Amino acid sequence: EVQLQQSGAELGKPGTSVKLSCKVSGYNIRNTYMHWVNQRPGKGLEWIGRIDPANGNTIYAEKFKSKATLTADTSSNTAYMQLSQLKSDDTAIYFCAMGLGPHYWGQGVMVTVSS
Amino acid sequence: NTVMTQSPTSMFISVGDRVTMNCKASQNVGTNVDWYQQKTGQSPKLLIYGASNRYTGVPDRFTGSGSGTDFTLTISNMQAEDLAVYYCLQYNYNPTFGAGTKLELK
Repeated sequence: EVQLQQSGAELGKPGTSVKLSCKVSGYNIRNTYMHWVNQRPGKGLEWIGRIDPANGNTIYAEKFKSKATLTADTSSNTAYMQLSQLKSDDTAIYFCAMGLGPHYWGQGVMVTVSS
Repeated sequence: NTVMTQSPTSMFISVGDRVTMNCKASQNVGTNVDWYQQKTGQSPKLLIYGASNRYTGVPDRFTGSGSGTDFTLTISNMQAEDLAVYYCLQYNYNPTFGAGTKLELK
């Protein structure tokens, strides 16, 4: 069974960074894309970007190009997303997902930005 | 950016209803469209991939159709457990989601 286990909730101060993790079990991430999606409180889903863990190639939505950095460690079958220069507007649930499209989802992690 | 315009924003429905919701892409996306269901407090779940292919375990009351720019998700014989927000997603270009259709009970 494929499972995506995300790291715990984060509280970050404005101007700082956080790094989220997404550990995959039951499937080799070299054979798929890893996506990240956010959902601001009470709002819809927003695609952030994806990484091809086999070669490290990344694609980002335009608005996240200077906000998010996606990496992956195939030895631990884990994907990461670093969010930089946090602002209150970055407060959201962040999901990792896997597949050609984001077909298999993690449970999501709440990131709260507050001083 | 490929914009996915989803309609309606919300629907008030009754158990047993036939429900139809739509997504219109701002450019041709072929059949590279998925539909997702998100219940309150949960992660989205894949229902339909490739515009019309039902994902494993999804009840056959869920049907996806369309190609090019116009896509439809139909729920025949609506059940209470289907109350949720439904999102379309195109992945022909950089993926983009529709804004969602929320199903609520009358």
